[in-house]
Amino acid sequence: DTAVSQTPKYLVTQMGNDKSIKCEQNLGHDTMYWYKQDSKKFLKIMFSYNNKELIINETVPNRFSPKSPDKAHLNLHINSLELGDSAVYFCASSQAGWGYTFGSGTRLTVV
Amino acid sequence: LAKTTQPISMDSYEGQEVNITCSHNNIATNDYITWYQQFPSQGPRFIIQGYKTKVTNEVASLFIPADRKSSTLSLPRVSLSDTAVYYCLVGPKAAGNKLTFGGGTRVLVKP
Repeated sequence: DTAVSQTPKYLVTQMGNDKSIKCEQNLGHDTMYWYKQDSKKFLKIMFSYNNKELIINETVPNRFSPKSPDKAHLNLHINSLELGDSAVYFCASSQAGWGYTFGSGTRLTVV
Repeated sequence: LAKTTQPISMDSYEGQEVNITCSHNNIATNDYITWYQQFPSQGPRFIIQGYKTKVTNEVASLFIPADRKSSTLSLPRVSLSDTAVYYCLVGPKAAGNKLTFGGGTRVLVKP
């Protein structure tokens, strides 16, 4: 039973399209995150939600919009995709700042 | 947020002990030190977390000197499956903390 699951695992799309990535955690954690890992393997935080409330919103283009319908779900919607958006996106969750549990990632390729 | 510095890569052999040192000179009083392991095509996995002195679990040990300006992750008797990237993170243990993953240390275990 996967703790943090993301869908899809792979996503290939054309520039200008709009796409969404879904994330669900069954750990009962109160905080969820979206991270972006670039080609150099640096993981950068994008957003964080705590009990459905946005608490971290890093400097990312406003084409990226997170949405948390409930504590167990955090989705990421990306409008007008650009080549530079190609990366691996990881969802994660944690409870009161203890160790994060990451999903397996979504590899987004914009062509 | 405390910046961390760790070696880019390390090579080892099966059965040896691997020690990875992370420098974090501007660690704050309420910061914890956490280590993650990442295999290719997977999300990072929590290994160990500590505040001071020594912490040990079934996977690794974490040594933190009194000044807390550095820490050492120790992996006993590594196997080929321990080949991965290891990240050192420093930050408060609180919901929504902006943990930043640097480049990590690529550990290659050879037969």
